[in-house]
Amino acid sequence: EVQLVESGGGLVQPGRSLKLSCLASGFTFSNYGMNWIRQAPGKGLEWVASISSSSSYIYYADTVKGRFTISRDNAKNTLYLQMTSLRSEDTALYYCARKMRAQSGYVMDAWGQGASVTVSS
Amino acid sequence: DVQMTQSPYNLAASPGESVSINCKASKSISKYLAWYQQKPGKANKLLIYDGSTLQSGIPSRFSGSGSGTDFTLTIRSLEPEDFGLYYCQQHNEYPYTFGAGTKLELK
Repeated sequence: EVQLVESGGGLVQPGRSLKLSCLASGFTFSNYGMNWIRQAPGKGLEWVASISSSSSYIYYADTVKGRFTISRDNAKNTLYLQMTSLRSEDTALYYCARKMRAQSGYVMDAWGQGASVTVSS
Repeated sequence: DVQMTQSPYNLAASPGESVSINCKASKSISKYLAWYQQKPGKANKLLIYDGSTLQSGIPSRFSGSGSGTDFTLTIRSLEPEDFGLYYCQQHNEYPYTFGAGTKLELK
């Protein structure tokens, strides 16, 4: 069974940093690209960042570019999101999701339950 | 960025009924649209991708149609477990963008 388990969320002050992790199991992690998607309280889904299976291709949403860094450790089956210079508008539930190749681009065929990040003083 | 507009925002229906949810893209995305279901306490679920391809394990009462800018998710003969939030997402180009969601509620 495919499982994605996020951790590392919490309450952090504006301007500080936080690092999320996503531990994958039930599939060959090194064969799949991965995404981070977030959902602010009461709002819809927002794609945040994407990384290919070998880390060769990385993409970010403009809202986080320059502040967030997506990375992975295939030996540890773990995806990361390093978040710096956090703002109140980064408050959200952060999901990791597996990429599945579609005829064009990728979709997300497996999701974790999310890690909650609250940015507040 | 491609803006995705979903309608309606809320939808009330009864088990056994059929419903449709619409998604409009701000520019053509060919057929590259996905639909997801979100329910409390459960992982988000991919239902449809490439506009009309049913994801493995998803019941055939779910179907997707459309191309270009206008897309529809149809659920025939609603089951109790179908009530929840539904999101569309374009997967034609980065940044991938989602609609604001449609809440399907029990009438």
